[in-house]
Amino acid sequence: DQQVKQNSPSLSVQEGRISILNCDYTNSMFDYFLWYKKYPAEGPTFLISISSIKDKNEDGRFTVFLNKSAKHLSLHIVPSQPGDSAVYFCAASAGGTASKLTFGTGTRLQVTL
Amino acid sequence: DADVTQTPRNRITKTGKRIMLECSQTKGHDRMYWYRQDPGLGLRLIYYSFDVKDINKGEISDGYSVSRQAQAKFSLSLESAIPNQTALYFCATSEPTGKVADTQYFGPGTRLTVL
Repeated sequence: DQQVKQNSPSLSVQEGRISILNCDYTNSMFDYFLWYKKYPAEGPTFLISISSIKDKNEDGRFTVFLNKSAKHLSLHIVPSQPGDSAVYFCAASAGGTASKLTFGTGTRLQVTL
Repeated sequence: DADVTQTPRNRITKTGKRIMLECSQTKGHDRMYWYRQDPGLGLRLIYYSFDVKDINKGEISDGYSVSRQAQAKFSLSLESAIPNQTALYFCATSEPTGKVADTQYFGPGTRLTVL
């Protein structure tokens, strides 16, 4: 039972354009969401997070949007750069479970010149 | 130097062998985790430890055991490896931040192949 789903395994975007990565979840108890980025041969690194009391969080070129009613979050990268090419994982946590994260399956982003 | 290190980085073994994957961290974090990544399945939590005396099972702990030797060291063992334990294994650490979920810092991973 995949509680966190990233339905697009891959995405290709031109440099300078917007990248939009999507994530859906089924567990209504999830109240904190994170995005991690992973380069080949490296571990995932934290990118940005959002609490369920917010619907948007921004950090530089990265913005995460949360739509609780739709159980959907998205990561926007503007403008996209070649160095953003990586696999992006969304993750979710339910209140009271401390740091037990449930990860999505990942989306491979390729930013082309 | 890397804050979270994993050894070995790659390992090929045979069915039935005992394998230990080691994780060390210099971040001074109390919380440590072991995940495995399989193609199409994302990362799944195997075990986690919130301090040296605290060990908890994750969602896929069967076939695995762990040892928290010190604050900085957390080892994952496969007592009798089987081919479906072939995967990429990640160790992670975190510290409480007051938020619902801590930010976790991952090691570079160990690629394990069981023949």
